[in-house]
Amino acid sequence: KAGVTQTPRYLIKTRGQQVTLSCSPISGHRSVSWYQQTPGQGLQFLFEYFSETQRNKGNFPGRFSGRQFSNSRSEMNVSTLELGDSALYLCASSEGAMGNQPQHFGDGTRLSIL
Amino acid sequence: QKEVEQDPGPLSVPEGAIVSLNCTYSNSAFQYFMWYRQYSRKGPELLMYTYSSGNKEDGRFTAQVDKSSKYISLFIRDSQPSDSATYLCALMDSSYKLIFGSGTRLLVRP
Repeated sequence: KAGVTQTPRYLIKTRGQQVTLSCSPISGHRSVSWYQQTPGQGLQFLFEYFSETQRNKGNFPGRFSGRQFSNSRSEMNVSTLELGDSALYLCASSEGAMGNQPQHFGDGTRLSIL
Repeated sequence: QKEVEQDPGPLSVPEGAIVSLNCTYSNSAFQYFMWYRQYSRKGPELLMYTYSSGNKEDGRFTAQVDKSSKYISLFIRDSQPSDSATYLCALMDSSYKLIFGSGTRLLVRP
């Protein structure tokens, strides 16, 4: 079974731009969560989607948004990029009906802001 | 005070040693406990998942949860150089969000 796939693997943007990251979950998984990983703050939860609905949200500004499609694939968008948004963005999927199921991660998208 | 505390290391051990990795937490509402391993330039890989106090074993790995002390551990037996990575504990709260420790860097010397 293929794992969680994230594209692109690397992105370089400049301040003020916006970016869209993509995540394809494990086949059959209906929940997708997004995390930001930085050396200073570690792994922090952004939001979770299940059946195209945001089920949970972390403490990030509204510049961070996401959506999920009917095939469970998900996208995350960051608008008006800031230098502090440079991070590894990780997507995780789980079977999802019950939120307590283990999450499996992709290898992330490394976003660098110049 | 962080919700989950984890010693960042690095922890350096010789090959074949038993490794003990630990996390403490403050919120008694945490119900589910996980350990992930993360290699450089890769995403976290799920090693262990448990929801009750006590021990759970999988091959060379044993996860231990003590809810009364708010303390979780991961033991690695017969450690190998390929175990060199960052180990992250992750706890799930009542809203099913994962809260991660800061990670412990482990180096297993040949």
